[in-house]
Order: sequence, then C-alpha cells, then structure tokens
Amino acid sequence: AQSVTQLDSQVPVFEEAPVELRCNYSSSVSVYLFWYVQYPNQGLQLLLKYLSGSTLVKSINGFEAEFNKSQTSFHLRKPSVHISDTAEYFCAVSGSNDYKLSFGAGTTVTVRA
Amino acid sequence: GAVVSQHPSRVICKSGTSVKIECRSLDFQATTMFWYRQFPKQSLMLMATSNEGSKATYEQGVEKDKFLINHASLTLSTLTVTSAHPEDSSFYICSAKDRRSSYEQYFGPGTRLTVT
Repeated sequence: AQSVTQLDSQVPVFEEAPVELRCNYSSSVSVYLFWYVQYPNQGLQLLLKYLSGSTLVKSINGFEAEFNKSQTSFHLRKPSVHISDTAEYFCAVSGSNDYKLSFGAGTTVTVRA
Repeated sequence: GAVVSQHPSRVICKSGTSVKIECRSLDFQATTMFWYRQFPKQSLMLMATSNEGSKATYEQGVEKDKFLINHASLTLSTLTVTSAHPEDSSFYICSAKDRRSSYEQYFGPGTRLTVT
C-alpha cells in the first residue's frame, strides 16, 4: 500500500511570487505520482504526472514537479503564481501495477493581489 | 477532453431513506470507475472500485450493504446509499478510468449529500 503526506495544509502567497507545495510518499513498490488541482466548486483535474523517464515534469500552465526517489518526494513548484491559481492541490500516488490512487490531505493555495 | 458527470450535484434526504448517485463518462468508455468520499478539509478516501459487469471491490471498513455500487455499462456507475444516516453526509466523488489508458482517471464534480 502507498501513502502520501502533504506537509502544508494552507499556503497563502502573493501574486507573481513563487510557490512550492511539498509532497512525500511511502511505498514498497515502484509508483506513479500525480498532482491534481480542484478549483472551487469543480472536480479534480490532473495537473501533471510522473510515470517514468525524466524526473522533472511540467504542466502547460507553468507548474513543475520533480520526482526524487531517494527523498521519496514529488514537490510542486511554480515560479510566479496568478490569482487564478487559487485552488486546492492534491498529491496522489498509485502503484505502477494498479490503478488505485492514494491522496494526500490537500494544500489550499490562496493567491492574493 | 474526457468528461465525467455526476448527478445530482447536491441532494438532501431524510434519515432512513436511500439515495442514488450517478456517475457517467460522457465521451469515453470506462471499464473501471472509482468512488471516493471526501470529508471537509480532508483528503479523498477510496471507497470502492467498480468494474463493468462485475461486483465492486470495497476498501476495508466500507460497508458493501450500505453503499451499493452498480456498474452496468461502460459509461455508467451508480452509488446507492441505503438507509442513510446523518453521519453519511459527505461529498462523494467518482472517477473513471479510460479503458485505453493504463493509469489516468478522470474525476466527476462530486455530489454533496446531506442527511437530515
């Protein structure tokens, strides 16, 4: 079984400032890692994923995350946030042989002008 | 992109009654659907995995007789909360796995259940 820890429950940040959301996981098998975003009153949307290959993965809207196997981490970063990035962010992990996702508790990002 | 809908988005029911929540994949076929429960300020907890044409697989601690899951077609899964109690009030979210993908799940917008 896998588990995920998101160390920050709330992250307030000013517009155009950088943000980092921390995610650590535990697993006894090889994993797939995901970041999902949930905007207010909407369902979860896949932001980015790590399956294999390059450890640095990027989204189309400027987010990136780096898989660090030795530290069992998959932290999410954005160098400059927008008001529209205000949302709940969930880190999730699944074993590479099954589809079940285990989610972290989520991080609420609030971007202020 | 792949779209998953849920109906209803909000439902209020009286204690002791049953309520059905539908999850549909609108533009793809989903052999596997998942049902999650989300408590306020908490993460999503997987309740069960629903496979088309077979019985659902429930996670430990989830009562299968209380949370009935049916996945009768490749685009529809239903969750029925039977004999609902106030402690069943929660946000229920479904996701669907595209049969063409080995990993990606698409999430519905969720259903807010309030039992009075």
